[in-house]
Amino acid sequence: QKEVEQDPGPLSVPEGAIVSLNCTYSNSAFQYFMWYRQYSRKGPELLMYTYSSGNKEDGRFTAQVDKSSKYISLFIRDSQPSDSATYLCAMTTSTTDSWGKLQFGAGTQVVVTP
Amino acid sequence: NAGVTQTPKFQVLKTGQSMTLQCAQDMNHNSMYWYRQDPGMGLRLIYYSASEGTTDKGEVPNGYNVSRLNKREFSLRLESAAPSQTSVYFCASSTGGGNGELFFGEGSRLTVL
Repeated sequence: QKEVEQDPGPLSVPEGAIVSLNCTYSNSAFQYFMWYRQYSRKGPELLMYTYSSGNKEDGRFTAQVDKSSKYISLFIRDSQPSDSATYLCAMTTSTTDSWGKLQFGAGTQVVVTP
Repeated sequence: NAGVTQTPKFQVLKTGQSMTLQCAQDMNHNSMYWYRQDPGMGLRLIYYSASEGTTDKGEVPNGYNVSRLNKREFSLRLESAAPSQTSVYFCASSTGGGNGELFFGEGSRLTVL
């Protein structure tokens, strides 16, 4: 069983809708939680970063972490066609030498239709 | 600003052939990484270099070797390619601190026949 589970989609939504993405994980040692966005044939780029539990908002994007349930979410409000991409959750433990040794979910493909 | 540059972008090999993927970063980052991305599997860490002069195995190191040539460059070598190594390979770099961000290259698409 993989440490990080993520539904691969595709998730198709109309422009302006809220996109809801989530991941579950099994390792309770994970402390840092990230969402990366990957456009087709490009490398991933960091979208959001959260430490431990709680919410973080950045413009149209909100990341939530519930460590008690081992569940993280990403919400995209007022979705745009330019948001069409694959969204990857990633996480790591708190030790310094673990930094960059991320456990990724499989990624969810999102398609926002005009 | 180039960021992380990978070469080649595409490569087709026959089983048993060897090749080296090159990676260079111009952000003065201490740490560099090689990941592979396969459908349904997400990104998996092959090897990493926390700082110049050090390398360590990641989750899936078998069949690969790496060299941290200097602070800028980190290469990945396949000594005897196998069809199971057909994948998209990503090089990434970071400052090494806990700030959450890996900077990825655009990927190298390798097919082993």
